[in-house]
Amino acid sequence: GENVEQHPSTLSVQEGDSAVIKCTYSDSASNYFPWYKQELGKRPQLIIDIRSNVGEKKDQRIAVTLNKTAKHFSLHITETQPEDSAVYFCAAALGFFGNEKLTFGTGTRLTIIP
Amino acid sequence: EAGVTQFPSHSVIEKGQTVTLRCDPISGHDNLYWYRRVMGKEIKFLLHFVKESKQDESGMPNNRFLAERTGGTYSTLKVQPAELEDSGVYFCASSQDPSPETQYFGPGTRLLVL
Repeated sequence: GENVEQHPSTLSVQEGDSAVIKCTYSDSASNYFPWYKQELGKRPQLIIDIRSNVGEKKDQRIAVTLNKTAKHFSLHITETQPEDSAVYFCAAALGFFGNEKLTFGTGTRLTIIP
Repeated sequence: EAGVTQFPSHSVIEKGQTVTLRCDPISGHDNLYWYRRVMGKEIKFLLHFVKESKQDESGMPNNRFLAERTGGTYSTLKVQPAELEDSGVYFCASSQDPSPETQYFGPGTRLLVL
């Protein structure tokens, strides 16, 4: 089955700097890669995602890049703000529509230092 | 629209006891998923209901876990008897169609087995 590795497990950055979280996946058939943000005590929320036919996707200060050859994808947060502090999970899904199961990484605890 | 709700928010039980977790999906969502995050590890898929039927239960760890969704509305996840390694956060998610990008997560139930 699919295996997703996520690094780093913890990350501290100064407010205003950029943060990068990286994930690798094992199954080349995976075709959907979402990122979730979980603030303390709250539910995981989808913040950005990418399909395997796209190399990069951006939404304001957040971007995701995908390298299918290397089987890795990354989350980039620019101009970080205190409210970006949270645990971030990457995930990969493979299979056909209607049978896509999410495999998650172990999470990255991001702390923004004011 | 009300989100996915889970009850209880926290549960502390002793090894060997039984615990039942409940998930109320968003109204009209046929797809319901259970996930679990053991401390510091990845969020792992447990199973997927479509209405009252189990579409995929490949992630259920063992036969101490029983999930039901009678009537295709709310779902329960029973752990009997609970073991120490069952401690973690149990998340429920629901979606109208079986696509990972439309899954809405609940806030989770934090289970501690002593």
